Amino acid sequence: GENVEQHPSTLSVQEGDSAVIKCTYSDSASNYFPWYKQELGKGPQLIIDIRSNVGEKKDQRIAVTLNKTAKHFSLHITETQPEDSAVYFCAALGGYNTNAGKSTFGDGTTLTVKP
Amino acid sequence: DAGVIQSPRHEVTEMGQEVTLRCKPISGHNSLFWYRQTMMRGLELLIYFNNNVPIDDSGMPEDRFSAKMPNASFSTLKIQPSEPRDSAVYFCASSYRPGRLNSKFRDNEKLFFGSGTQLSVL
Repeated sequence: GENVEQHPSTLSVQEGDSAVIKCTYSDSASNYFPWYKQELGKGPQLIIDIRSNVGEKKDQRIAVTLNKTAKHFSLHITETQPEDSAVYFCAALGGYNTNAGKSTFGDGTTLTVKP
Repeated sequence: DAGVIQSPRHEVTEMGQEVTLRCKPISGHNSLFWYRQTMMRGLELLIYFNNNVPIDDSGMPEDRFSAKMPNASFSTLKIQPSEPRDSAVYFCASSYRPGRLNSKFRDNEKLFFGSGTQLSVL
């Protein structure tokens, strides 16, 4: 089965700096890679995703890159703000008919943005 | 849309008691998932339904856990009897899965989570 590793487990940055979270996956058949943000007391929320036919995707201050050869993908947050503080999860989903709920999640990264 | 609605938000019970968690998925979604989140094990998929039918319950830890989806707008996760090691946050999530298996539309990949139920079994 799929195995997703996420690093680092905790990350602390100053407001305005950039933050990078990295994930690796094991199953070369995985072709969809979402990122979720989980704030305290809430459920995870999808913030950005990327498919295997795309190398990079950007949405305002958030970007995700994918290297299929190396089987790793990364989340980049620029100009961080205190409200970016949360737990971030990466996930991998493989197979064209695989249901979303079968995504394999990383263990999460706790991001703290210091004002 | 109100999103995925879970109740109760918090549940404190004593070991041996029955616990029922409830979920209302987003209207129009046809897939529903129950997850458990703990520090030790992260996010674990317990069971998921497609069109109200249980598809995969391999994540259900043991026979004490059961889940039902009597209609498209309601699901329950029951633990009977509950044990202290069941203490966790339980999330319900929903998504839309197209009927055609080889559909080009991958909206089924987008999971929408509820706010969770914090369960404490004393």
